Amino acid sequence: GQQVMQIPQYQHVQEGEDFTTYCNSSTTLSNIQWYKQRPGGHPVFLIQLVKSGEVKKQKRLTFQFGEAKKNSSLHITATQTTDVGTYFCAGPFTGGGNKLTFGTGTQLKVEL
Amino acid sequence: GAVVSQHPSRVICKSGTSVKIECRSLDFQATTMFWYRQFPKQSLMLMATSNEGSKATYEQGVEKDKFLINHASLTLSTLTVTSAHPEDSSFYICSARTPGLGIEQYFGPGTRLTVT
Repeated sequence: GQQVMQIPQYQHVQEGEDFTTYCNSSTTLSNIQWYKQRPGGHPVFLIQLVKSGEVKKQKRLTFQFGEAKKNSSLHITATQTTDVGTYFCAGPFTGGGNKLTFGTGTQLKVEL
Repeated sequence: GAVVSQHPSRVICKSGTSVKIECRSLDFQATTMFWYRQFPKQSLMLMATSNEGSKATYEQGVEKDKFLINHASLTLSTLTVTSAHPEDSSFYICSARTPGLGIEQYFGPGTRLTVT
């Protein structure tokens, strides 16, 4: 079945360092969404990418969708303690519909 | 806007009992609600999709007779865990979406179920 993997699984950084999480799907995706889940919280939508090679920025966050639409990345510049949490990518279920397959997630910890 | 609530936030029950979890969209009408299960430090696993007024669609491996889902209105979906066992202990999260609010799903705060 469809699989969406993320690496790394965990990342510890010092505040101010950059961070990147990579998302790889076993199938081509019509779009990719990114969510952030704070410790003890629920996922919150960050962004959606639709076009091949698309790059979007939100302040210190840069999201990229691969040319083949099977991979994506999220890069955070100069991390802050508020960036702590788990970042999930999610792609539509194979076969369409509104269902999402969530990636395995990358847990980010930021130390002062 | 686009707020989803869940109740209860935490519940402890004894093995063999049933537990009902409510998911409400507070400021929009949700055409579709989703129920996920999340184990500690793991990803969200979709359990089922519910559309108002129709039967829920369950994912492979999810027992529909054990996890009863009812989507009685455009703002309320319920998940009932019947005859709960310790292995059902988990974090259950609902989400909702509606075409008018875009493609993203809006998640509830989750319900921590512990079965003793």
